[in-house]
Amino acid sequence: DSGVTQTPKHLITATGQRVTLRCSPRSGDLSVYWYQQSLDQGLQFLIQYYNGEERAKGNILERFSAQQFPDLHSELNLSSLELGDSALYFCASSPLRGLAGNTGELFFGEGSRLTVL
Amino acid sequence: SQELEQSPQSLIVQEGKNLTINCTSSKTLYGLYWYKQKYGEGLIFLMMLQKGGEEKSHEKITAKLDEKKQQSSLHITASQPSHAGIYLCGAPPSGSARQLTFGSGTQLTVLP
Repeated sequence: DSGVTQTPKHLITATGQRVTLRCSPRSGDLSVYWYQQSLDQGLQFLIQYYNGEERAKGNILERFSAQQFPDLHSELNLSSLELGDSALYFCASSPLRGLAGNTGELFFGEGSRLTVL
Repeated sequence: SQELEQSPQSLIVQEGKNLTINCTSSKTLYGLYWYKQKYGEGLIFLMMLQKGGEEKSHEKITAKLDEKKQQSSLHITASQPSHAGIYLCGAPPSGSARQLTFGSGTQLTVLP
């Protein structure tokens, strides 16, 4: 158990809909990362927040948005869903702003599996 | 942008055999991370390598970093069914990057 909690674990929805994925980082971790894992694209970095502020952005679509709240939990909002958005969405947390220091490892949650029909 | 190429894509070995997984970067490596993923589950951190020539071991898993060749290898000695899973290498795309870029993974099956 990494200490990172993601909900829901599974989600099935229809094209055009909007969903929200939630992530609670490990206690004390200030950084939250969102990744998307699909069969054709592999594990892709979407976005990172540190203590409520956006710190790094990857290949995140304009239809997707995220935020980190004062209690440090984060939400990833996916709208106007398409079939290709079906994937496993991971949240990872770290106590650090970046990767430097100690092992710099990211602690991954179990993921939220999104199926768009 | 940086790309991490892993080989082989999949590997099936008999229990007790040794195996090696490679990860090659298209650009300079600023550290290399190895993670393991059970199918459909989260990633578990194995180890991180920072300096050229560095070698780390955890139980029967050893990883090495060859900075000049921009590659890392993960070696498992006397494989067990518990080693089965997807092994992913990750690296920061630049020296100042805060996130990791990952390779496409190597699926390892260990036959009892």
